[in-house]
Amino acid sequence: EPEVTQTPSHQVTQMGQEVILRCVPISNHLYFYWYRQILGQKVEFLVSFYNNEISEKSEIFDDQFSVERPDGSNFTLKIRSTKLEDSAMYFCASSGRQGGGYEQYFGPGTRLTVT
Amino acid sequence: AQKVTQAQTEISVVEKEDVTLDCVYETRDTTYYLFWYKQPPSGELVFLIRRNSFDEQNEISGRYSWNFQKSTSSFNFTITASQVVDSAVYFCALSDNAGNMLTFGGGTRLMVKP
Repeated sequence: EPEVTQTPSHQVTQMGQEVILRCVPISNHLYFYWYRQILGQKVEFLVSFYNNEISEKSEIFDDQFSVERPDGSNFTLKIRSTKLEDSAMYFCASSGRQGGGYEQYFGPGTRLTVT
Repeated sequence: AQKVTQAQTEISVVEKEDVTLDCVYETRDTTYYLFWYKQPPSGELVFLIRRNSFDEQNEISGRYSWNFQKSTSSFNFTITASQVVDSAVYFCALSDNAGNMLTFGGGTRLMVKP
């Protein structure tokens, strides 16, 4: 069964460093998303992406964040200068069609620890 | 703005008990979708069910059942004869018709003890 994959599973970085979280969505999917979950809290939407453009973003997704689809398979989330409060689990998701009625398939997550 | 509230932060039951997880939502949209996800200790998010706002028929899948009541803006989830493997955090989520984002509730941690 096709699945969303994410690398690395755990990333440790120092405050102020740049990190890139990588995701490989399901191959025929066109809609991509990033969410984050601070430890013990709820899952929060960051950004959605389609046709090489951001469709929607939350207030969390400020200028420190960017997303890119550098090739036909990867979808990345970059945090330019990490802060302690960026420590969280980051989930990538993809969907085959647009619309609330279509399931978003989630990857296993990348745990980001900022020290 | 959309909002999802899961008032029960933690529930503990003994195996074979039935348990209901509550979910209340707020939206101004007439077309919307409701979801339940399971997050086991390993951390991934596992899709359980999706309902649209026009379909209030209750659904049963094995030991799982869902009760959608538009009149009370609730989408509750019941596990019958709970098992230890059901121990997880369960999230209710809401999407508008555009589907650009899911709004999650705070989650309910279910602990099923043997």
